[in-house]
Amino acid sequence: TQLLEQSPQFLSIQEGENLTVYCNSSSVFSSLQWYRQEPGEGPVLLVTVVTGGEVKKLKRLTFQFGDARKDSSLHITAAQPGDTGLYLCAGETRSNDYKLSFGAGTTVTVRA
Amino acid sequence: DTEVTQTPKHLVMGMTNKKSLKCEQHMGHRAMYWYKQKAKKPPELMFVYSYEKLSINESVPSRFSPECPNSSLLNLHLHALQPEDSALYLCASSQDSRRTVPYEQYFGPGTRLTVT
Repeated sequence: TQLLEQSPQFLSIQEGENLTVYCNSSSVFSSLQWYRQEPGEGPVLLVTVVTGGEVKKLKRLTFQFGDARKDSSLHITAAQPGDTGLYLCAGETRSNDYKLSFGAGTTVTVRA
Repeated sequence: DTEVTQTPKHLVMGMTNKKSLKCEQHMGHRAMYWYKQKAKKPPELMFVYSYEKLSINESVPSRFSPECPNSSLLNLHLHALQPEDSALYLCASSQDSRRTVPYEQYFGPGTRLTVT
């Protein structure tokens, strides 16, 4: 059983559309990270959220951390083909020293 | 600079070969990690080194042997691997595994390993 449930598993959209990826858990996280990974490459850290209710923006990407620090979402506005990749959420809990708990990942494909 | 480097980029080895994967970071991080990742799956933790000492071994078979020569380097020695060990092997580092806030891991580009 994964600590973080990520949805949807796959997402295929047309360029210019919006998309949202969700990451949910019954556990409280001290911090939560979002990564994007392209095929054959390592995950690249996009953002870290720490405070409940926090909203961070990175150009067309908006990240939210739930008030209770149990869930998070990633919203992409006007998606572009360059947004294509595997999106991973990963959280750190106080009871899980040294470790990140990863969601299963969302494969996003943006068609030109 | 948040760069973690890994060599080689690709590796093909037979089941009787011995090879090593290398990882380097110059961010002053004191925790380093090895992960194994299969296609379209999340990374699976293998080993954690904290201050050059092995902290976590996630029940990894002994054909994988990690080594941390100093705080900047991490190696993974491979011997007698099986075809099912073929995967992307990722190295990561973090500032300090003792609860630095925020806790962030930075990944290298990975080594694509194929065992024939």
